[in-house]
Amino acid sequence: DSGVTQTPKHLITATGQRVTLRCSPRSGDLSVYWYQQSLDQGLQFLIHYYNGEERAKGNILERFSAQQFPDLHSELNLSSLELGDSALYFCASSVGPWDNEQFFGPGTRLTVL
Amino acid sequence: SQKIEQNSEALNIQEGKTATLTCNYTNYSPAYLQWYRQDPGRGPVFLLLIRENEKEKRKERLKVTFDTTLKQSLFHITASQPADSATYLCALDNNNNDMRFGAGTRLTVKP
Repeated sequence: DSGVTQTPKHLITATGQRVTLRCSPRSGDLSVYWYQQSLDQGLQFLIHYYNGEERAKGNILERFSAQQFPDLHSELNLSSLELGDSALYFCASSVGPWDNEQFFGPGTRLTVL
Repeated sequence: SQKIEQNSEALNIQEGKTATLTCNYTNYSPAYLQWYRQDPGRGPVFLLLIRENEKEKRKERLKVTFDTTLKQSLFHITASQPADSATYLCALDNNNNDMRFGAGTRLTVKP
């Protein structure tokens, strides 16, 4: 158990819908990272927050947004969902803004029908 | 364009042998490189971090090397066991506060 929690574990929804994925980092970790993993794309970095502020953006679509709240939990919002958004979404946390090992959560499996 | 390439999609070895996995990168100048293990349907688990000024790092049966001239990292598992069977990912940071992962190498250790 990494200490990172993600909810929900599974999510099934329809195209065009909007969903919110939630992540609670390990106690004491200030950084939260979001990744998308699909079979044909591998693990893709989406976005990184450190202590409430956005630090880096990766291959995140404009339909996706995220934030980190004062209590350090983070939410990833996915809207206007498409079939291709079906994937495993991982959240990871680390102590500092970089140069640290990342602890990954169990993931949320999103299926868009 | 920036690329991270892991030598092969799959590697099969016999129990007790040393597994060697390769990670090559282009158009990156990473301050450090990390290796993770991932089991099917689960999140990656951190194994080792090596910095640009370090040549080699060890942890139990694991050893990683980092050659910034060759732009390559090698990851070794000695005395491999069936329980080492998993996908191994290399990841590097480009000093931009983000981490990019390779596609991974699926290792199978046969008894």
